[in-house]
Amino acid sequence: DVKVTQSSRYLVKRTGEKVFLECVQDMDHENMFWYRQDPGLGLRLIYFSYDVKMKEKGDIPEGYSVSREKKERFSLILESASTNQTSMYLCASNSGGYGYTFGSGTRLTVV
Amino acid sequence: GIQVEQSPPDLILQEGANSTLRCNFSDSVNNLQWFHQNPWGQLINLFYIPSGTKQNGRLSATTVATERYSLLYISSSQTTDSGVYFCAPPRGSGTYKYIFGTGTRLKVLA
Repeated sequence: DVKVTQSSRYLVKRTGEKVFLECVQDMDHENMFWYRQDPGLGLRLIYFSYDVKMKEKGDIPEGYSVSREKKERFSLILESASTNQTSMYLCASNSGGYGYTFGSGTRLTVV
Repeated sequence: GIQVEQSPPDLILQEGANSTLRCNFSDSVNNLQWFHQNPWGQLINLFYIPSGTKQNGRLSATTVATERYSLLYISSSQTTDSGVYFCAPPRGSGTYKYIFGTGTRLKVLA
């Protein structure tokens, strides 16, 4: 079974902290994605990576950066966490011609 | 960009009933995904459907790309089918980035 693992299920951080959300997949997928999900707004794409060290901005990249140093790992970085970044963060991966596999999500609260 | 609309927004069923969920999209697509998000937030890929019909147990999905819609059929619903169902077409041809609809929230009563 394809597995996408997100390092934390729940996270509470303080305003201004630098936050790292980690995502690891074990199926050698070239594409990896970070989405955030908010009530009433659905799932919105933050960043996308199609290869090691390659990335593309999604719809809402402001306040976020990403890192993909190894094929299996895609990290989302909140440079200076703010309360409006309180959300559910979902990582997904896929290979060309196949559907997404999602991780179980990280519910981040910024206080 | 492509617009996605799902209907109905909410649905309540008695266990054992059948249902049809609809996904309309504004541009031509060459594939589409359907997902189920369970009450704990986990998104499960139900179908990746290039075109036509796919079946998996009690669930099936049909995409009519020329008419810009897809249907998800749930037969003999069970309480474990409760959750939110999302459709997601790609943002454009040749891209692996998908756009998600706002979902249909399904509640199946015992």
